[in-house]
Amino acid sequence: ETGVTQTPRHLVMGMTNKKSLKCEQHLGHNAMYWYKQSAKKPLELMFVYSLEERVENNSVPSRFSPECPNSSHLFLHLHTLQPEDSALYLCASSQDVSGYEQYFGPGTRLTVT
Amino acid sequence: AQSVTQLGSHVSVSEGALVLLRCNYSSSVPPYLFWYVQYPNQGLQLLLKYTTGATLVKGINGFEAEFKKSETSFHLTKPSAHMSDAAEYFCAALIQGAQKLVFGQGTRLTINP
Repeated sequence: ETGVTQTPRHLVMGMTNKKSLKCEQHLGHNAMYWYKQSAKKPLELMFVYSLEERVENNSVPSRFSPECPNSSHLFLHLHTLQPEDSALYLCASSQDVSGYEQYFGPGTRLTVT
Repeated sequence: AQSVTQLGSHVSVSEGALVLLRCNYSSSVPPYLFWYVQYPNQGLQLLLKYTTGATLVKGINGFEAEFKKSETSFHLTKPSAHMSDAAEYFCAALIQGAQKLVFGQGTRLTINP
């Protein structure tokens, strides 16, 4: 595997389900990010991790819970989501949080029913 | 606050014609600037970046962009469009030392045969 991988690629879940999105980067980077991409809206930064520490949390509802067990892996735990949470969730990584380009995974297309 | 504006949410050109996608940023300090491309059902792929030095930056797939400080612009061009260029393009800016990459709203490029 190379670059940034995300699993699953597609996920359909009910509002009462609990699921997790997984991201793995194979680039030796120190920073990882979660973004939400909704139709007709700019990309929204959700969380930033630097060396496994959360450094940014952009007022994201508590039904989204990130976890970064090491610098290569990032999870997004989901529970009691709403239909408006349906979107493409993108993971990215960069060498460091400051001044470096970000490399993106293919995303997980989430549909909440 | 820093912001990125992409003029035109949808641009349509004929195959072989010039591609011009506009991006302006607002920042008191010249930021690092990036163009990303997103093909359907995929993540964002870095096309090119400007940090310091030469203001004309060449990227992948024949694209280039010019940083113009006086106009606070970073427009993306390609001399001759190809059908495979059809995608969504995002301009992004990163203030040096900051942690947050600010994205424009995206421009969908359509290529007419």
